[in-house]
Amino acid sequence: NAGVMQNPRHLVRRRGQEARLRCSPMKGHSHVYWYRQLPEEGLKFMVYLQKENIIDESGMPKERFSAEFPKEGPSILRIQQVVRGDSAAYFCASSRLELGMNTEAFFGQGTRLTVV
Amino acid sequence: GNSVTQMEGPVTLSEEAFLTINCTYTATGYPSLFWYVQYPGEGLQLLLKATKADDKGSNKGFEATYRKETTSFHLEKGSVQVSDSAVYFCALSSGNTGKLIFGQGTTLQVKP
Repeated sequence: NAGVMQNPRHLVRRRGQEARLRCSPMKGHSHVYWYRQLPEEGLKFMVYLQKENIIDESGMPKERFSAEFPKEGPSILRIQQVVRGDSAAYFCASSRLELGMNTEAFFGQGTRLTVV
Repeated sequence: GNSVTQMEGPVTLSEEAFLTINCTYTATGYPSLFWYVQYPGEGLQLLLKATKADDKGSNKGFEATYRKETTSFHLEKGSVQVSDSAVYFCALSSGNTGKLIFGQGTTLQVKP
């Protein structure tokens, strides 16, 4: 059973370009979470999705950022018109059920975005 | 709102030394508490968890006890190894969405 797969592992974009980050959850997992880790900081929650639904996007910047988790295929985090401040590691996690007493979120290895 | 505070690092220890990384939290209700470990260039791995007061999570020689009275979840290990060198994150989960609130992370360096 493959773990959470994120690609690409490293992504370099020039200012103003678009960045697309992909996350394939573990088999059987229908809950996906995106987190951002700025240099020397902890992870900050961005968005929580279930298949075809955004459940909680309270951590998403209001502009340029969007996320989706279609019925088929991976979850996508999209950043339009990237700026240098978007440079960070973006982690995806998946879980089988909502995190509770007996569930666990499994993390991917992350996508390290560098904006030049 | 909910928050997690960890002791600042880096923490530098010699092999076989005793480790404590402090973690305190602020939360409404009864959160679940977690410790995650991040090795260089890797994602986060769950190290241990506790879901209610006085529970003790343990794994690979690491332990942490959920202390509601002091709102703490300190990580301990009796004898660290060089291979334990990593960044350790304390986190909580509460509410219905399952999202995790992380501390800022503590870097542990173990020297032979």
